[in-house]
Amino acid sequence: DGGITQSPKYLFRKEGQNVTLSCEQNLNHDAMYWYRQDPGQGLRLIYYSQIVNDFQKGDIAEGYSVSREKKESFPLTVTSAQKNPTAFYLCASSGGRWDYGYTFGSGTRLTVV
Amino acid sequence: KQEVTQIPAALSVPEGENLVLNCSFTDSAIYNLQWFRQDPGKGLTSLLLIQSSQREQTSGRLNASLDKSSGRSTLYIAASQPGDSATYLCAVRFSEKLVFGKGTKLTVNP
Repeated sequence: DGGITQSPKYLFRKEGQNVTLSCEQNLNHDAMYWYRQDPGQGLRLIYYSQIVNDFQKGDIAEGYSVSREKKESFPLTVTSAQKNPTAFYLCASSGGRWDYGYTFGSGTRLTVV
Repeated sequence: KQEVTQIPAALSVPEGENLVLNCSFTDSAIYNLQWFRQDPGKGLTSLLLIQSSQREQTSGRLNASLDKSSGRSTLYIAASQPGDSATYLCAVRFSEKLVFGKGTKLTVNP
């Protein structure tokens, strides 16, 4: 079955530590996205990539970094510069045309300890 | 600024009732609109995708309509069941990015 796999499901980060969230898709989609979800705030876009080796900042990119070395993979690193990283992180993908819909992964819950 | 608003924020209904969830958006120049379902602690599941040239889409007990000129979409759920309890999110594609509403939390009581 085609889909998006996010791992791990739960992640704990110590203060000052960088952590990387994995996102892999086998849908042959060109575009991939990272969203952050906080209670009462809805989904906010962190970074997106429409093609391999290219990505753009979303609305809340500060303290995050990404790479897109392969079409199937779009990992997100939460750096120590992100002051409030505790949240639910969702990865999505879409076909290259803008009339395509989005497919989401099952999410990673990150908690700072 | 392109914004998506969902009303109400929460809705509680008895089992078997037909119900309507509302979504409004600020810019009529859209590519498509997508309705998602999210269960607690889970990812988003796509329910219906309506292209800008379409007026409605149906899947089982779900029917979504789109009126671009008024900037509105509705999600109609027929004969609601307790298993329909979840948060329903409306998302509008204005460009390469999807803009989300904050969702309507639906509770269907047995």
